[in-house]
Amino acid sequence: SQQGEEDPQALSIQEGENATMNCSYKTSINNLQWYRQNSGRGLVHLILIRSNEREKHSGRLRVTLDTSKKSSSLLITASRAADTASYFCAVNYGGSQGNLIFGKGTKLSVKP
Amino acid sequence: EAQVTQNPRYLITVTGKKLTVTCSQNMNHEYMSWYRQDPGLGLRQIYYSMNVEVTDKGDVPEGYKVSRKEKRNFPLILESPSPNQTSLYFCASSSRGSGRGYTGELFFGEGSRLTVL
Repeated sequence: SQQGEEDPQALSIQEGENATMNCSYKTSINNLQWYRQNSGRGLVHLILIRSNEREKHSGRLRVTLDTSKKSSSLLITASRAADTASYFCAVNYGGSQGNLIFGKGTKLSVKP
Repeated sequence: EAQVTQNPRYLITVTGKKLTVTCSQNMNHEYMSWYRQDPGLGLRQIYYSMNVEVTDKGDVPEGYKVSRKEKRNFPLILESPSPNQTSLYFCASSSRGSGRGYTGELFFGEGSRLTVL
């Protein structure tokens, strides 16, 4: 499968702690994206990182990409209860369609 | 407000009764796609469309049809629904970006929860 694989499947932390989620993929990519989904709601785009980039920041979010290891990580610093959600990586392998392939997600629970 | 609108949001139907889930976006996006989300399986792509009158199968197209007659609309049709199509469905859209294929972020609708009895 070309699907990205998130790790861990579930993560429970206290408010104020950092949360790190990882995503591994199979072959070379065009870009990799992270999305957030609150329970039963639509997914919301967080960050896109291109294959020639190594790190990107957006507020409390930091995404890294290591193309040699075919992996990416999403770090949420100083987490809040409102960060409780599922987080998905989505891989764009390029090609004529350039469709996104979503992983199964990491379920993050931030306890107040 | 930029948005992707799906209807209905919730639907309970019976096996074999044709139904259509509508999807409309107001961002003039070329690319539109349908996904289904099932526990433990993540999001799987059903069909996608790169532009008007251009559609193609995703990973799980069996039992579904789509059409793209206008840029803003991309309905999902279940001609003869079966219980294994009980799922949470998402429509998404994106601008095409430069170069070949899709490069940008996807905008998702709020989802349509379908139950087939």
